[in-house]
Amino acid sequence: DTAVSQTPKYLVTQMGNDKSIKCEQNLGHDTMYWYKQDSKKFLKIMFSYNNKELIINETVPNRFSPKSPDKAHLNLHINSLELGDSAVYFCASSLGLAGRETQYFGPGTRLLVL
Amino acid sequence: AQTVTQSQPEMSVQEAETVTLSCTYDTSESDYYLFWYKQPPSRQMILVIRQEAYKQQNATENRFSVNFQKAAKSFSLKISDSQLGDAAMYFCAYRSAGLSYGGSQGNLIFGKGTKLSVKP
Repeated sequence: DTAVSQTPKYLVTQMGNDKSIKCEQNLGHDTMYWYKQDSKKFLKIMFSYNNKELIINETVPNRFSPKSPDKAHLNLHINSLELGDSAVYFCASSLGLAGRETQYFGPGTRLLVL
Repeated sequence: AQTVTQSQPEMSVQEAETVTLSCTYDTSESDYYLFWYKQPPSRQMILVIRQEAYKQQNATENRFSVNFQKAAKSFSLKISDSQLGDAAMYFCAYRSAGLSYGGSQGNLIFGKGTKLSVKP
């Protein structure tokens, strides 16, 4: 009955590889997000999707690409991984785009690039 | 652009005591929302409490309450009767009230967090 789930929880990979992180929410929300938490615990928005359309794309390298097969899923694909991509990635969802809508977070995926 | 500042990287409190975590923010908007999230060692981000800027009354959730001072752009979190399970990173966050159709509007903007330790 997990509201927002992510797989995998841990991901260890080599530089240059391509990897994906999956996110699913069963809350019936229309909007989903990806956040990156760096080694200093700083959280920053990467992407958000509303009804499968990209709404925000912050200054994120184009090696990162969100893909949403339906409004319950928002996967994050990362190409040509670099050392600096090591971080914890959080998926979140909210009922809609309005600021009043609370965002609910997944458990995070710890990515380590060697 | 909006910014959120948490000036206390670390705080410590004795079990059963009260602790207040500070948060200030900078914005030119009049309508927005403020949040406190808790991140325990499990990494899960858990919503603790939220405040609507248009409400003068401070939000409360059981042992958690806020002191929202809109003019001062201050949003502190008070934890009463601290418990060992309260030990975590606490993040203050800001979000514009408007819809986000590109740009940074609608983003949750986080502070850098305060690590709270609870001593038995």
